[in-house]
Amino acid sequence: AQKITQTQPGMFVQEKEAVTLDCTYDTSDQSYGLFWYKQPSSGEMIFLIYQGSYDEQNATEGRYSLNFQKARKSANLVISASQLGDSAMYFCAMREGGNAGNMLTFGGGTRLMVKP
Amino acid sequence: GAGVSQSPRYKVTKRGQDVALRCDPISGHVSLYWYRQALGQGPEFLTYFNYEAQQDKSGLPNDRFSAERPEGSISTLTIQRTEQRDSAMYRCASSLGAGRGNTIYFGEGSWLTVV
Repeated sequence: AQKITQTQPGMFVQEKEAVTLDCTYDTSDQSYGLFWYKQPSSGEMIFLIYQGSYDEQNATEGRYSLNFQKARKSANLVISASQLGDSAMYFCAMREGGNAGNMLTFGGGTRLMVKP
Repeated sequence: GAGVSQSPRYKVTKRGQDVALRCDPISGHVSLYWYRQALGQGPEFLTYFNYEAQQDKSGLPNDRFSAERPEGSISTLTIQRTEQRDSAMYRCASSLGAGRGNTIYFGEGSWLTVV
């Protein structure tokens, strides 16, 4: 089974509107971390936001927030007030375990296109 | 350094040649990771190190792939007898520690094309 599932291969959003990118995950661990990365056309992989499995509050970083629903195993990324520069691939990723140093497992990504 | 640095950024090699890709992690970062990313897909894990010790190499596709980090800093990913299917972006990443909450920061990647 896929550990990270991103069901939206591509999405359009109007500039200045909010958009939600979906991510569901599968793990039997109690301790894990969830990450979102942005990959613009230049190819960089830019860290956006992190949510720990024990965090009670949803993570926020500027215009990014993470809608964490633990019982549903979902960690959707919300981008408010979309900007043209937000057009990129977005990857959801999970890091399982305590201090085992396990790697990130990535989803297949969602391509977001912001329309002017 | 300020970020994860990889070289070369672009490499074109003939099938059958060996290639070495270099990664210089963020200064002080203990954990170092190698990923491979095909066009339009998410990165796939290859291997990782804590300090100089290779902790997990389960993602290396076959024995033509190897990696080392002899002094716990710079790492080299080596692909021997390259094949066309090895063409991809190879990303290095590092994190301060091995815990789940430590953010993993990525380099800009090395694009490998095997012709």
